[in-house]
Formats: sequence, C-alpha cells, structure tokens
Amino acid sequence: QQQVKQSPQSLIVQKGGISIINCAYENTAFDYFPWYQQFPGKGPALLIAIRPDVSEKKEGRFTISFNKSAKQFSLHIMDSQPGDSATYFCAARKSSNYQLIWGAGTKLIIKP
Amino acid sequence: DTAVSQTPKYLVTQMGNDKSIKCEQNLGHDTMYWYKQDSKKFLKIMFSYNNKELIINETVPNRFSPKSPDKAHLNLHINSLELGDSAVYFCASSQEPGVGEQYFGPGTRLTVT
Repeated sequence: QQQVKQSPQSLIVQKGGISIINCAYENTAFDYFPWYQQFPGKGPALLIAIRPDVSEKKEGRFTISFNKSAKQFSLHIMDSQPGDSATYFCAARKSSNYQLIWGAGTKLIIKP
Repeated sequence: DTAVSQTPKYLVTQMGNDKSIKCEQNLGHDTMYWYKQDSKKFLKIMFSYNNKELIINETVPNRFSPKSPDKAHLNLHINSLELGDSAVYFCASSQEPGVGEQYFGPGTRLTVT
C-alpha cells in the first residue's frame, strides 16, 4: 500500500533548466516531509525538508512547495547542473510512530 | 570520520547460506534503522531500534534478525539466503525516532547466487 506517490520515475533536464519532482500523499497524518538525494553507490542524504504549516521552503537552488489541501508537495531545482544528476526521494513522516514513508524515487539526469 | 559505516560493502554468497552485515555509527544517535533497496531503487524500512530496543519491525521474513549490542551498533543477520534477498541494504541513524534527519551508511550490496 503506497501512501506516498512520486512522479515522474525519471526526468531529463537541460543544464540551466528547472527540474520539478512531485509527490502526493494519501489520507494519513504526516507531520514532516523531507527530500533525500542519492548518488550512485552512496546512501541517501537529506537535501531539504518542510513541515505542513509552511507552504514553501527555499535553500539555495532547491525549493519545496507544499499544498496541504491537495496533499501534494514538490521539489524544484533551479538552474539545474550536471552535478545534480542523482535519484531523489520524497518522504513523509507518520506522526503516530515517526516512521518515514518513502516515495519510489525519481532518477534525474541533467544534460550539459 | 565516517558517521555511519557498514561492512562489508559487497557480499556475494550462495542460496541457503547465513550471512551478517555490521553497522556502526559514531554520531551519538539513539535510533538506528535497516533499509532494503531493491533493483528499482525502492527503499523499504525493515527495522528500527531505539536505545537497543526494537521499535519498528515491518513485514520482514523471520530469516532476518537484527541485533543491537549497544546504541552505536545494529547488525543484520540473514539465515537461509534466497535469490530475492539480493539488494542493497542500508543502515541509517537519527538522533531520536523521527527527529532530525536520518544519516545513511554507504550500503552493502548483497548478491545471492
């Protein structure tokens, strides 16, 4: 039972373009929404995170947009660079037991 | 200094064997996790320990047994290995259950032949 749906599965963006990855969650109480970045051969690492009382959070070229009513959140990467090529995972934390529920991942390729 | 380390990095073994993966964190965290990442990159939580006590135990075959000798270590023992166990296994830690980010180890690629 997938409670966090992530799309697209893969994404190719030209250097300098905007990369957008979307996630939607189902009717469960979540209280924290992180995005993790994973490079080949490495473990995932936290990129940016947001709480549901905030509609947007920006850190450098990375922005999370959060729409509580629609149960959707997205990651925007501005001025995408080849070094951003990685797999990105969204996640949502259950407020009942703090377990992270993970999206299926998006493989992002930035073409030079 | 490596925050979360795992050994071995690669493990190739035959069906039916028993193997262990070790994990250590030097972050002083109370909570540790085991994840399985399949060939499609899907991440699935297997277990979570807080202060050496099991707090999350997802639907995992009982051939998988975690052991936490102390807060800094969480090992994974797998009995009677099957082809479907082939995956990358990640250990992670966090300050407390659900608090702050999870720090992941480099992963152990298990191949069962």
